[in-house]
Amino acid sequence: GDSVTQMEGPVTLSEEAFLTINCTYTATGYPSLFWYVQYPGEGLQLLLKATKADDKGSNKGFEATYRKETTSFHLEKGSVQVSDSAVYFCALRGRSFGNEKLTFGTGTRLTIIP
Amino acid sequence: NAGVMQNPRHLVRRRGQEARLRCSPMKGHSHVYWYRQLPEEGLKFMVYLQKENIIDESGMPKERFSAEFPKEGPSILRIQQVVRGDSAAYFCASSPPSGAQTQYFGPGTRLLVL
Repeated sequence: GDSVTQMEGPVTLSEEAFLTINCTYTATGYPSLFWYVQYPGEGLQLLLKATKADDKGSNKGFEATYRKETTSFHLEKGSVQVSDSAVYFCALRGRSFGNEKLTFGTGTRLTIIP
Repeated sequence: NAGVMQNPRHLVRRRGQEARLRCSPMKGHSHVYWYRQLPEEGLKFMVYLQKENIIDESGMPKERFSAEFPKEGPSILRIQQVVRGDSAAYFCASSPPSGAQTQYFGPGTRLLVL
């Protein structure tokens, strides 16, 4: 079945540091890929997505590129801020008919210190 | 346009009681998904519903759990005879009716079973 493997946390960085959170997946066909962010006590917010190979999703300075050859969708940001502290989830959605469910990684807790 | 609404936000039940969780999708959305997040874990898919139909319930426990999405009113996730292991955050997401669309999440209901 489909699965997502995400970089183990927690991750602690200083403000303005470069961020990478690794995400790899296993799926049949060509899934759509997502990054969601969860702030304390809140639900998940869609951060960015990519629906086909070589697509780059971007939002709020975060980027991720759909790499079919390495089955990866790593999240990057050039200069993190304290407000980026949250839990980040990588997820995929399969393409087969009726398969609408999201499969999530275990999440990576990110803490940015001033 | 209001987002996905869930209530209650917090629910405390004693073992053996029933828990009833409600989800109102975003306006214009007719697809609803329920996910469960156990402490310090990622989200796990439970069930996918359209109006008056269960499309995929492959993630639902076989006993005590049920879900519905009636023609009128919110989607309901019901847990009968709760046990301590049911303590978790339950998230609802919704998406528009056409094709494979992005899922938008509600703030979640945090269930605590004493």
